[in-house]
Amino acid sequence: DVVMTQTPVSLSVSLGGQVSISCRSSQSLVHNNGNTYLSWYLQKPGQSPQLLIYKVSNRFSGISDRFSGSGSGTDFTLKISRVEPDDLGVYYCGQGTQYPLTFGSGTKLEIK
Amino acid sequence: EVKLLESGGGLVQPGGSLRLSCAASGFTFADFYMSWIRQSPGKAPEWLSFIRNKANSYTTEYNPSVKGRFTISRDDTQNVLYLQMNTLRAEDTAIYYCAKHRGVPDFWGPGTMVTVSS
Repeated sequence: DVVMTQTPVSLSVSLGGQVSISCRSSQSLVHNNGNTYLSWYLQKPGQSPQLLIYKVSNRFSGISDRFSGSGSGTDFTLKISRVEPDDLGVYYCGQGTQYPLTFGSGTKLEIK
Repeated sequence: EVKLLESGGGLVQPGGSLRLSCAASGFTFADFYMSWIRQSPGKAPEWLSFIRNKANSYTTEYNPSVKGRFTISRDDTQNVLYLQMNTLRAEDTAIYYCAKHRGVPDFWGPGTMVTVSS
């Protein structure tokens, strides 16, 4: 299985600040078709995960441009700028390149 | 508006069976691949299974952790996704989500809780 390693486990940020979350995969996430199926999700308290970013850097429908994804191969980053109160929760990276699909262990974002 | 609503969860004894359903609306269900994903309290999501659409012969994929015990299926006439779960174990206790799938799970339902305990 592809192991997804996220860092940090948690972080605290002031409103209006910026944060970065790292995700590393144990194998390259480049699919045979040339796509890289790395996605980012936010799970707000008491809710199901919601897709933020797919294929490394594409924002899902309705997602603010404050969220941006980057990376390639095995190293990926999610950046959140101008942090708002509604951004708190647990962020997960996930890979859809190889079965079984796998997720990182999560990064908890707290607002100072 | 895309809507997914899981049902069928509950308390079941070890070794028992349960069938989960996921009612879909707001999109052309038959066109999309669909997944089941679960999440134990305080843990990361765990992908379980995936079923393709009719154009791709309804083929399926399973996580080895549940292969042989869980079966995914769909009814495109009723816009419903199913997960048949057999020989349940305590470690199967989790919230079970269905998700619309487009390369990756892109929209998740609110989930249904399954508790395996005597």
